[in-house]
Amino acid sequence: DVKVTQSSRYLVKRTGEKVFLECVQDMDHENMFWYRQDPGLGLRLIYFSYDVKMKEKGDIPEGYSVSREKKERFSLILESASTNQTSMYLCASSSVRLGGGYTFGSGTRLTVV
Amino acid sequence: DQQVKQNSPSLSVQEGRISILNCDYTNSMFDYFLWYKKYPAEGPTFLISISSIKDKNEDGRFTVFLNKSAKHLSLHIVPSQPGDSAVYFCAASYSGAGSYQLTFGKGTKLSVIP
Repeated sequence: DVKVTQSSRYLVKRTGEKVFLECVQDMDHENMFWYRQDPGLGLRLIYFSYDVKMKEKGDIPEGYSVSREKKERFSLILESASTNQTSMYLCASSSVRLGGGYTFGSGTRLTVV
Repeated sequence: DQQVKQNSPSLSVQEGRISILNCDYTNSMFDYFLWYKKYPAEGPTFLISISSIKDKNEDGRFTVFLNKSAKHLSLHIVPSQPGDSAVYFCAASYSGAGSYQLTFGKGTKLSVIP
């Protein structure tokens, strides 16, 4: 069964901490994405990557950075966590050659205290 | 500017009846549409899709209708079951060269009442 795996289901971090969220996919997809989901705001794109070492800003990149050193792994970094970054974070991957639909991970519920 | 709109944040339906979830889009370049379903504390899962060359696609209890002239699509669930209670996201993309990004609506929370 093909998968997108996010390293943690639940995380609690303190304000000011540097936070790493990891995402790994085993489908050889070229595209990977980070979203956050908040009530009433839907899915908002933070960053995406269409190739190794490539990254593009999404709609809300402020306070975040990403790293894609290998095709299968896409990391989201919160440089200095703040309480307004408390959210559900979702990683997804896709391949245009396979139709472009996303496969999502199970999500990471991050709470910043 | 929101290119994909789901104007109903929530919808309640009796078990066994039809659920109709609506989605409007503004970008006429979109030619591929998808519906995702999301349970709390889980990632969205793909439900059904439709290409702009079709006006209907069916998969079991789920049917998606596309009206290109109105830039409107809808998801019909018949009959609705309590397990269908979830947030449903509409998404759209276009197959232009190099395109790979889905644009999502804000979601509609469906509650199916037993």
